[in-house]
Amino acid sequence: EAGVAQSPRYKIIEKRQSVAFWCNPISGHATLYWYQQILGQGPKLLIQFQNNGVVDDSQLPKDRFSAERLKGVDSTLKIQPAKLEDSAVYLCASSLELLAVQFFGPGTRLTVL
Amino acid sequence: AQTVTQSQPEMSVQEAETVTLSCTYDTSESDYYLFWYKQPPSRQMILVIRQEAYKQQNATENRFSVNFQKAAKSFSLKISDSQLGDAAMYFCAYNGEYGNKLVFGAGTILRVKS
Repeated sequence: EAGVAQSPRYKIIEKRQSVAFWCNPISGHATLYWYQQILGQGPKLLIQFQNNGVVDDSQLPKDRFSAERLKGVDSTLKIQPAKLEDSAVYLCASSLELLAVQFFGPGTRLTVL
Repeated sequence: AQTVTQSQPEMSVQEAETVTLSCTYDTSESDYYLFWYKQPPSRQMILVIRQEAYKQQNATENRFSVNFQKAAKSFSLKISDSQLGDAAMYFCAYNGEYGNKLVFGAGTILRVKS
């Protein structure tokens, strides 16, 4: 079975630019998550979708971050405008349902200069 | 809010020996799930082992086992017969009964010496 796919793997941008990340979950997984992992820290949940509805976005900086999951399958996470402190690895994960084990993608490493 | 603490930033083990990684957590919930994830340099987060709090028996997956002490809120990972491929960052994570929000610790870097 194919795993969680993410692209791009790496992205370097200037501050104040915008950037978007894409995630395709494991087929049939209803729940999708975006995590931010700053260097030297554990991942922190940004947003969680159940099908195409948002379950939890309490830690998403909504003034600059947005995410959508059209048709309840793949998802995009956008940052506009980017700040230096947004430099991190952005991990996407999916699970069959709520409370099920989460499977992670390889992540996108973002560097903001 | 739930918190997860990993007090060992870095650990080393000789190949073929045993190492234990520590994790403590804080919660007021009575039922929950605990995990150990492995993150090699490739950044792919891989599930190592999962423990359900209502189960008394400690989880085991081949060379990986846990020591779950619910009263002490402790959840340590034991790796037996360590292999070079075990070298990675290990994260302890908590997931509550009513949500699916994984809360991670800061991680422990495990180095395996040949």
